[in-house]
Amino acid sequence: EAQVTQNPRYLITVTGKKLTVTCSQNMNHEYMSWYRQDPGLGLRQIYYSMNVEVTDKGDVPEGYKVSRKEKRNFPLILESPSPNQTSLYFCASSLFSVGYGYTFGSGTRLTVV
Amino acid sequence: TQLLEQSPQFLSIQEGENLTVYCNSSSVFSSLQWYRQEPGEGPVLLVTVVTGGEVKKLKRLTFQFGDARKDSSLHITAAQPGDTGLYLCAGGFQKLVFGTGTRLLVSP
Repeated sequence: EAQVTQNPRYLITVTGKKLTVTCSQNMNHEYMSWYRQDPGLGLRQIYYSMNVEVTDKGDVPEGYKVSRKEKRNFPLILESPSPNQTSLYFCASSLFSVGYGYTFGSGTRLTVV
Repeated sequence: TQLLEQSPQFLSIQEGENLTVYCNSSSVFSSLQWYRQEPGEGPVLLVTVVTGGEVKKLKRLTFQFGDARKDSSLHITAAQPGDTGLYLCAGGFQKLVFGTGTRLLVSP
């Protein structure tokens, strides 16, 4: 089944403890992206990658890191999480460009206390 | 900055009613997409429209892209409880901009 897999689905952590949210797609998509979704603010792009070793900042990149060493994986790293990073996170992928539409993962609900 | 405004923000209707959701911008988009998101899940792509004036149908859902490619509408005929969810429009080619969303509740 063609899909984007995120792990974990739920995570509660403490301020300052480094964490990684994994994202993997099995569709050979070139383009991958991370979003956060907050009430009243909608979906906001954190980082995106147009291909292996090519990443760029989205609208809200502060406090996040990403890497794209392989085509299928695009992990999101929070080096020192803070409570304002409590959110619902989505990984998404697209064949070449977002103009063709995204396939989204099921989401990761992160709580930082 | 390209912005997409959706209306209405919330819609609560009874099963069997028809409804229309609007997505408007002052910018021209090369393509526009509609997604539906259920609570706790990721958005699911419903349709992509790329040509001004284009109309696409997906069962009881009809999507239209404005002639000037600045707006779009989603019309649902005879809504069912399974249509409940958050409807998002999104536009752009290299970078996708998401609309503010319309939360639809269809009661039996």
